[in-house]
Amino acid sequence: QKEVEQNSGPLSVPEGAIASLNCTYSDRGSQSFFWYRQYSGKSPELIMFIYSNGDKEDGRFTAQLNKASQYVSLLIRDSQPSDSATYLCAVNYFSGGYNKLIFGAGTRLAVHP
Amino acid sequence: GAGVSQTPSNKVTEKGKYVELRCDPISGHTALYWYRQSLGQGPEFLIYFQGTGAADDSGLPNDRFFAVRPEGSVSTLKIQRTERGDSAVYLCASSLSVTANYGYTFGSGTRLTVV
Repeated sequence: QKEVEQNSGPLSVPEGAIASLNCTYSDRGSQSFFWYRQYSGKSPELIMFIYSNGDKEDGRFTAQLNKASQYVSLLIRDSQPSDSATYLCAVNYFSGGYNKLIFGAGTRLAVHP
Repeated sequence: GAGVSQTPSNKVTEKGKYVELRCDPISGHTALYWYRQSLGQGPEFLIYFQGTGAADDSGLPNDRFFAVRPEGSVSTLKIQRTERGDSAVYLCASSLSVTANYGYTFGSGTRLTVV
């Protein structure tokens, strides 16, 4: 059973702080990893993807990948109240010649003014 | 179209009835996925189409669920003899790459409520 684990939260941070969201996965063969943001009542929106070990930065967002530890994280710098949402970690599993994304349950982030 | 379109946006049905949910993917996207999301959970994989064929239907919970994509574009998810436990948001996504290396684009979902 392929698993993606996330702390459900809520993770509460003050405005302007760094929010750190974590995710672990079970399949060592996975090669690509994604972070989606989901506002309440809306569908998931892709915000970052990462394939290689290390850090990948995009604006206020940094994704970090450690394949040896099977660990992915997302850092949000200068957190804003508008960042308050559920953040879903997704892992691309390859099986039987096809790929599909397996999602974690998500971490709810609350940024308070 | 510009995005993934799902209809209806909301569907309320009585237990035991049949429902169809429609997904129109982004033009040119050959890969199409159906997921189901229950409250407080992440999207759960149901089925994946590559072109017209269902390449992976391992996530369909039972034989009451069926999906088709006859012309390789629009897909319909069909649920027979609905049960209250089928209530969820059904999400459709499409991808240009068959490897999904760039992730998916999701539609706005269909909220199904079985009463």
